[in-house]
Amino acid sequence: GESVGLHLPTLSVQEGDNSIINCAYSNSASDYFIWYKQESGKGPQFIIDIRSNMDKRQGQRVTVLLNKTVKHLSLQIAATQPGDSAVYFCAENYHNAGKSTFGDGTTLTVKP
Amino acid sequence: NAGVMQNPRHLVRRRGQEARLRCSPMKGHSHVYWYRQLPEEGLKFMVYLQKENIIDESGMPKERFSAEFPKEGPSILRIQQVVRGDSAAYFCASSPPGGDYGYTFGSGTRLTVV
Repeated sequence: GESVGLHLPTLSVQEGDNSIINCAYSNSASDYFIWYKQESGKGPQFIIDIRSNMDKRQGQRVTVLLNKTVKHLSLQIAATQPGDSAVYFCAENYHNAGKSTFGDGTTLTVKP
Repeated sequence: NAGVMQNPRHLVRRRGQEARLRCSPMKGHSHVYWYRQLPEEGLKFMVYLQKENIIDESGMPKERFSAEFPKEGPSILRIQQVVRGDSAAYFCASSPPGGDYGYTFGSGTRLTVV
């Protein structure tokens, strides 16, 4: 069945550096992708999304890149701050299925 | 405009009891999703509902678990005869109608079975 997975379970960066979190997906029919941030004890929070007809989308300090050829998604965070420390999940949808399939998450730790 | 409201935040049940988890979606959202998260793990899909309809329950265990989203009132996730393995965080999310959108999640209900 389809699955969404993350390459690295943990990532530690220095404050001010850029962070890159990667995600692989296996369902080539997926057409909508989302990144979420989950802080300890809270629910996931929407960060940014991208549709399959795009390969890049930028938000405030965040950029999502989509490479459909190798079924890879990444989240780039510029000038990482301590408040960015959290678990980051990628999720994928396909064919208006409604439900999202989540990856296992990458824990980002920002060192001061 | 309140976000997705879940209650209770924490729920302790003895083995064999029933657990009822409630979720009120954001105003204007008609799609509700329930996910389960075990400690140090990702979110696993359970069920997708619209008002008075279960759209996809492929992630629901076949026994003891049920969900509803009535015409009036919150969505309810019900777990009968709870066991220790049901201990987890249960998150509800909602989205507007009309297609693919990111979810708005509630803060979750943390169920502990003792």
